[in-house]
Amino acid sequence: KQEVTQIPAALSVPEGENLVLNCSFTDSAIYNLQWFRQDPGKGLTSLLLIQSSQREQTSGRLNASLDKSSGRSTLYIAASQPGDSATYLCAVGLTGNQFYFGTGTSLTVIP
Amino acid sequence: NAGVTQTPKFQVLKTGQSMTLQCAQDMNHNSMYWYRQDPGMGLRLIYYSASEGTTDKGEVPNGYNVSRLNKREFSLRLESAAPSQTSVYFCASRLSGANEQFFGPGTRLTVL
Repeated sequence: KQEVTQIPAALSVPEGENLVLNCSFTDSAIYNLQWFRQDPGKGLTSLLLIQSSQREQTSGRLNASLDKSSGRSTLYIAASQPGDSATYLCAVGLTGNQFYFGTGTSLTVIP
Repeated sequence: NAGVTQTPKFQVLKTGQSMTLQCAQDMNHNSMYWYRQDPGMGLRLIYYSASEGTTDKGEVPNGYNVSRLNKREFSLRLESAAPSQTSVYFCASRLSGANEQFFGPGTRLTVL
């Protein structure tokens, strides 16, 4: 079974700081990896999707990287803003329809 | 487009009662999923439907049944609710292949 770990569980940073969130997984034979944002009491919003053949994806201030051989992905957030405060989840796809989620990193950006 | 919609938003049941959670998507997606989210455990896949007319078990299917009514709708049924099924339930959909998942707003279920 795929195990997905996100460390740290919580992170607090001052506004404007660049930060990195980590996601590690135990089975490197992944299909894809998706990063989500979840606001309190809300559903999940897709941020970035990385296919198994890709090394990174970028969207605005977000950059996600994937290293299958080491079982790691990182989400880089540049110039953090208070509106970035949320829980960030990674999901690893092993086949077309089996996905395993980490427990998330709760990010607080302090104005 | 409404995306993925779920009803109800909140529900309280007594142990042994049954209910059906509804999910619909208007994005013409082929695959649909039901997850549950519990504190400290992340989201876990209950059932999925790769295409209309097919359903398969996920990681935690016990105590649940599903129906892919048509391409748009995918329902989750609890036949005899138990307190262990207290959770937030999310429906998601995906076009196919390696495309991204899109999630609904969730149903918060409490079983007393």
